[in-house]
Amino acid sequence: NAGVTQTPKFQVLKTGQSMTLQCAQDMNHNSMYWYRQDPGMGLRLIYYSASEGTTDKGEVPNGYNVSRLNKREFSLRLESAAPSQTSVYFCASSASFYEQYFGPGTRLTVT
Amino acid sequence: KQEVTQIPAALSVPEGENLVLNCSFTDSAIYNLQWFRQDPGKGLTSLLLIQSSQREQTSGRLNASLDKSSGRSTLYIAASQPGDSATYLCAVRGSGGSNYKLTFGKGTLLTVNP
Repeated sequence: NAGVTQTPKFQVLKTGQSMTLQCAQDMNHNSMYWYRQDPGMGLRLIYYSASEGTTDKGEVPNGYNVSRLNKREFSLRLESAAPSQTSVYFCASSASFYEQYFGPGTRLTVT
Repeated sequence: KQEVTQIPAALSVPEGENLVLNCSFTDSAIYNLQWFRQDPGKGLTSLLLIQSSQREQTSGRLNASLDKSSGRSTLYIAASQPGDSATYLCAVRGSGGSNYKLTFGKGTLLTVNP
């Protein structure tokens, strides 16, 4: 039982490049989330998907898009990366309003 | 807007000591509160979840309490060990229209010295 998995673990991008962060969970959870964690700012919600087929903006959605591909997978896309998007990105999942489980994170640097 | 504060920001204790970490939140209309630990360079591990109707939850040497009316939660760690060294985060889930959102505190960095 892998829980929540994320790929890649590390990524370096140049300004203006695009990339997609992948997330998958094997716990049959309905809800999935993308957060970013920055020093001094804590964890902030970027987007979430309450259930398969729905997505909603969180606190800091600008510059990102998401796709809930199926119940297991939720991807985060940066269309044109900016240095301000240098961060650690975490995916999480939960059975609706219950306990959230987090993946190991993707460390992204934009130069 | 919900705000979550954790005090102290850092704490250093000798092994074997009992300790308390504090979390306060500004809006008492919460659905639940969750405590996590985060090891350096790692993801978050869920420790305890307290529903808004509960007063406390226990898991092993950990005990979390919730006083919703005063906007406070504490995480009690008994007989601390060096392996408990990590950052501890609390997060509250809003009720009503914001119940998909977790608001996090900035964490308490705990160091347990052998």
